[in-house]
Amino acid sequence: AQSVAQPEDQVNVAEGNPLTVKCTYSVSGNPYLFWYVQYPNRGLQFLLKYITGDNLVKGSYGFEAEFNKSQTSFHLKKPSALVSDSALYFCAVREENRDDKIIFGKGTRLHILP
Amino acid sequence: DGGITQSPKYLFRKEGQNVTLSCEQNLNHDAMYWYRQDPGQGLRLIYYSQIVNDFQKGDIAEGYSVSREKKESFPLTVTSAQKNPTAFYLCASSMVRTSGANVLTFGAGSRLTVL
Repeated sequence: AQSVAQPEDQVNVAEGNPLTVKCTYSVSGNPYLFWYVQYPNRGLQFLLKYITGDNLVKGSYGFEAEFNKSQTSFHLKKPSALVSDSALYFCAVREENRDDKIIFGKGTRLHILP
Repeated sequence: DGGITQSPKYLFRKEGQNVTLSCEQNLNHDAMYWYRQDPGQGLRLIYYSQIVNDFQKGDIAEGYSVSREKKESFPLTVTSAQKNPTAFYLCASSMVRTSGANVLTFGAGSRLTVL
């Protein structure tokens, strides 16, 4: 069965410092991996995805994520955090050739401290 | 502009009442989804539909029902059988491609509170 784990409920980072939000996954076949961001009382917005190819994926707002097959991880990163990056971040996985449900992690709340 | 419209944004219900949440999209997407969001539990899939007149149960379908009579519309009914319906409900849609790498587009959500 597919599953996604986000081990940290909350991450605090000082503005200007690099940030990492962790995600690990489990699927039977090849994974398609996604990061979404949610601002208060809003729907989720797509940040980036990994399908195949280069393990480092670049997305919106300066975010990037690194796919690591051996560690089954897809951590979200940004070199220099902004206060406006404060939000709830979700990792999600879909298994290759399964055109059905996407499984989301429980979310990680990111606080960027001024 | 293309997007997904959910209504109402806020809804209050008395125990024992059924309520229907609306979800409309003009993105020409084939697939539509309903998720429930509770604090600390992330998003859990209620129902999804990949084509008109067909839909499948997700992980927490009990106490909910859906219909997909039109491509653009995927309403969710929260029935009185749902024991703990207070939550934030999110509708999403996507293209259906054989590669499976489909990005979901989300609506702004509907917050249901049972009094």
